[in-house]
Amino acid sequence: SQQGEEDPQALSIQEGENATMNCSYKTSINNLQWYRQNSGRGLVHLILIRSNEREKHSGRLRVTLDTSKKSSSLLITASRAADTASYFCATNGGTSYGKLTFGQGTILTVHP
Amino acid sequence: DVKVTQSSRYLVKRTGEKVFLECVQDMDHENMFWYRQDPGLGLRLIYFSYDVKMKEKGDIPEGYSVSREKKERFSLILESASTNQTSMYLCASSLRGGGNEQFFGPGTRLTVL
Repeated sequence: SQQGEEDPQALSIQEGENATMNCSYKTSINNLQWYRQNSGRGLVHLILIRSNEREKHSGRLRVTLDTSKKSSSLLITASRAADTASYFCATNGGTSYGKLTFGQGTILTVHP
Repeated sequence: DVKVTQSSRYLVKRTGEKVFLECVQDMDHENMFWYRQDPGLGLRLIYFSYDVKMKEKGDIPEGYSVSREKKERFSLILESASTNQTSMYLCASSLRGGGNEQFFGPGTRLTVL
């Protein structure tokens, strides 16, 4: 079952602008992860935020987590054309086998 | 550089054929996963394995089976391919334990005619 729901489904911005993507989920989680997928390729892990964390940074990425609203957001600052990709959130419910449930993704297009 | 490799980037098969998709990781990871990705549906888990010879069904196991005879290799088998199995197949691996980062292969785009 798909737990994560990303919003918006597609986002188009100019280079230099910030991009914000949102993810909502339905059940309790151990952590939430964000992945990037370039066209037709495998996914690459971007950042992981644990359920007891509220905000995390990695370079131009900022992730927030609100467990009371069951939602997360990914902010990419000063976007570049190379950031054009699909972005997925994935939740882990705490199983020992490390299963993740992925959302449907947000397609980000950054125009030069 | 850590790596997950998949046997083919593109594959075309006929309905009814038996199809093998192979995945190899060089990170000594305990967990391995097979997903399929379809437009509008995101990634859906087919099967996963947490140890050699161990396997667990994911969300959509029907029509698929898996094999894990060695720690580094996880195979997905389509016993009798059907057109509705045309999809992008992604393999991933992670360390043992809950919620670790998954490392993905480049994917195999399978077309069943």
